[in-house]
Amino acid sequence: DTGVSQDPRHKITKRGQNVTFRCDPISEHNRLYWYRQTLGQGPEFLTYFQNEAQLEKSRLLSDRFSAERPKGSFSTLEIQRTEQGDSAMYLCASSSPGTHPWFGPGTRLLVL
Amino acid sequence: AQSVTQLDSQVPVFEEAPVELRCNYSSSVSVYLFWYVQYPNQGLQLLLKYLSGSTLVKGINGFEAEFNKSQTSFHLRKPSVHISDTAEYFCAVSEMGFQKLVFGTGTRLLVSP
Repeated sequence: DTGVSQDPRHKITKRGQNVTFRCDPISEHNRLYWYRQTLGQGPEFLTYFQNEAQLEKSRLLSDRFSAERPKGSFSTLEIQRTEQGDSAMYLCASSSPGTHPWFGPGTRLLVL
Repeated sequence: AQSVTQLDSQVPVFEEAPVELRCNYSSSVSVYLFWYVQYPNQGLQLLLKYLSGSTLVKGINGFEAEFNKSQTSFHLRKPSVHISDTAEYFCAVSEMGFQKLVFGTGTRLLVSP
């Protein structure tokens, strides 16, 4: 297994557009996490799935954000009506129960 | 709720010198502790973790950390740094169960020749 992968690695969009990011976890991992990292800050937790169930959502995840993991494998994070404040690195991680999260390379979003 | 404080935003050091990156945490429950490293334009890589047992934890690339429950600290150390250790280092805490990590703001280690 090559680890957690994320696509795209970079995304530039105009304010008001919708964007969608994909995360493919390590195959045997049933937990999947999304984090957001802004410049000069540590990653902040957004949401977490166990298999296909979304078990926790941060209040950072506004109504414009939605995450899915329909078959308990890959996950998507969609941001509707993007704002300049959404510019950040979006990190995905996965884990098995009892193990630490393994992080992907991230998707860097720039909203113009 | 947990929180993590990394007091040093940047630590400059010369190659082959020792280094300590400080981390203090706050939690009302027992926690797991982690150090991750982030190289430019990359994701986070686990350096080491404390789950239970020995308070001195050894990780990759010659790093180690010591868990001190009374001082709620988990400082990262390396006896001799290399240029390649230049990166951002994040301390993180989670409740037992790994549901989510709470990260500090990071410490940038700058190693110069």
